[in-house]
Amino acid sequence: AQSVTQLDSHVSVSEGTPVLLRCNYSSSYSPSLFWYVQHPNKGLQLLLKYTSAATLVKGINGFEAEFKKSETSFHLTKPSAHMSDAAEYFCVVSDRDYGGATNKLIFGTGTLLAVQP
Amino acid sequence: GAGVSQSPSNKVTEKGKDVELRCDPISGHTALYWYRQSLGQGLEFLIYFQGNSAPDKSGLPSDRFSAERTGGSVSTLTIQRTQQEDSAVYLCASSLGTGGGGYTFGSGTRLTVV
Repeated sequence: AQSVTQLDSHVSVSEGTPVLLRCNYSSSYSPSLFWYVQHPNKGLQLLLKYTSAATLVKGINGFEAEFKKSETSFHLTKPSAHMSDAAEYFCVVSDRDYGGATNKLIFGTGTLLAVQP
Repeated sequence: GAGVSQSPSNKVTEKGKDVELRCDPISGHTALYWYRQSLGQGLEFLIYFQGNSAPDKSGLPSDRFSAERTGGSVSTLTIQRTQQEDSAVYLCASSLGTGGGGYTFGSGTRLTVV
């Protein structure tokens, strides 16, 4: 069964320093992987997605993630944190079935990112 | 519409009452999901509709929960005899068939059972 593990429930960084949010996945077939962000009292917003094209995926707001099959990882990074990046981040996996259609999304438990001035 | 619309945005109900939560997906999106986000917890999958296929109900926590999708568009999540542990934000998302382009989430319905 597919699953996703976010290794850190809380991450705190200083403004201007790099961000690393870790995610490992387990999937039977070729997965689609996503990162979503949820700001306080706001809806979920798609940051970026991997769907078997380039392994380094660039998303919005300067975030990117690299799909590493050998490590079953899809870590989210950003070179320089901004105060507005403070939010909760969810790593999500979605398997494809034999027919190629994507099945349900499986969410990680989330990582709360705090950005200190 | 331009996005996924959920109503109501907030619902307070008394324990034991039934509630209905509505989701209007993006026009043309064939896949529709319901998730539940409880305080301090991640998103819990509830049910998944894909086109005319039988829905995947494997995430529904009890037989008090049901959902339907009429005409392949609007979906209603019904919770019967609500309990305090049902208090959560209920999120709906939709996508094109395979979802490769990502899923668009609504703003959710915050349900409080008192």
